[in-house]
Amino acid sequence: GESVGLHLPTLSVQEGDNSIINCAYSNSASDYFIWYKQESGKGPQFIIDIRSNMDKRQGQRVTVLLNKTVKHLSLQIAATQPGDSAVYFCAGSTGGGNKLTFGTGTQLKVEL
Amino acid sequence: DVKVTQSSRYLVKRTGEKVFLECVQDMDHENMFWYRQDPGLGLRLIYFSYDVKMKEKGDIPEGYSVSREKKERFSLILESASTNQTSMYLCASSPRWTGGYPKNIQYFGAGTRLSVL
Repeated sequence: GESVGLHLPTLSVQEGDNSIINCAYSNSASDYFIWYKQESGKGPQFIIDIRSNMDKRQGQRVTVLLNKTVKHLSLQIAATQPGDSAVYFCAGSTGGGNKLTFGTGTQLKVEL
Repeated sequence: DVKVTQSSRYLVKRTGEKVFLECVQDMDHENMFWYRQDPGLGLRLIYFSYDVKMKEKGDIPEGYSVSREKKERFSLILESASTNQTSMYLCASSPRWTGGYPKNIQYFGAGTRLSVL
């Protein structure tokens, strides 16, 4: 089966710095990945996605990088703000299936 | 906006009670999911449904059952609650993937925090 995990349970950054959250996966057949953000007291919300035929995808202040060789992806948040404080999950899927496999999450803390 | 509504934010139940967790989505999505979320373990899939009256076991179905009698509603049932089922339960829905991107985007409710005493 597939496993998707995150490297660090907690990441602390200073406001204004860039944040990098990492994720590793085990199934080389995984072809699609999603990052979710979960704020306190809320359900996870979609941030950005990337297909396996891409190395990089950019959104507003966020960039996801995918390295298929080492089965690793990262979420970069530019100019981190207090509102970015949340738990971040990566999730992967394979083929036409409708299921996602979630990682364990990284708690991002933004220090003022 | 997609809205997934879970009927309770907090529940406290006794060991052995039958517990129903309800979830309703308003986007006519075919797929619905139940997860439990525990510290350090992330989101683990309990059951999912890809159509009315259809269900499939996820990674941790033991001790749980589900019901999907209507497209918009997906219920999680704890037949006899136990203390190890104390957790945060998240419901999600997604459209059936027919090709194209993005795919598999799941929309989540706010969660139900269940305590079994």
